[in-house]
Amino acid sequence: DVVMTQYPLSLPVTLGQPASISCRSNQSLVYSDGNTYLNWFQLRPGQTPRRLISKVSNRDSGVPDRFSGSGSGTDFTLKISRVEAEDVAIYYCTQGTHWPPGTFGQGTMLGIK
Amino acid sequence: QVQLVESGGGVVQPGESLRLSCAASGYIFENYAMQWVRQTPGKGLERVAAISYDENTIHYADSVKGRFTISRDNSKNTLHLQMNSLRPDDTALYFCARDSNFDFWGQGTLVTVS
Repeated sequence: DVVMTQYPLSLPVTLGQPASISCRSNQSLVYSDGNTYLNWFQLRPGQTPRRLISKVSNRDSGVPDRFSGSGSGTDFTLKISRVEAEDVAIYYCTQGTHWPPGTFGQGTMLGIK
Repeated sequence: QVQLVESGGGVVQPGESLRLSCAASGYIFENYAMQWVRQTPGKGLERVAAISYDENTIHYADSVKGRFTISRDNSKNTLHLQMNSLRPDDTALYFCARDSNFDFWGQGTLVTVS
């Protein structure tokens, strides 16, 4: 199975400040069709997991543009340009390139300082 | 719109069984892979089982292999997870999710083994 490693695991951020979460895979996530199936999810307390980003940098419908994804190959980043209170959540990266299975990172807990 | 609705969770004793279901609507169910994922406070999100659109590919997490069985009924737009020999560490909120890239999720069904 592909191993996904996220860091940091805990990220306290001041409201209005940027935040960045990194995700690294132990294999390239470039699929034979040329796409890179790296996704980012948000898990708020008591809510259903929500996909924010697919294929490295494509925001899902309704996702605020303060969320952005970047990266290639094995190294990826989720950035929040200005953290808001509603962004308090656990963030996961996951890959769909080497499926099955779709492996998750350990999760990064974003909180407010 | 895409909807996934899980059911079948409950409280059981160790060693007992449960069958979870996930009713899908709003899209062509037979065209998509499906997955079960569980959430626990201590372990976060953990993939449990996955099945391809045509059932030709099935995968289980090592922690459930031999005890859980994933299946789908494309005629009824339903995904199932048969869970046997349940253990306390199977206690979790179980979600079904669509596609190998988890684009849609249900609201979850709670399984408590105690």
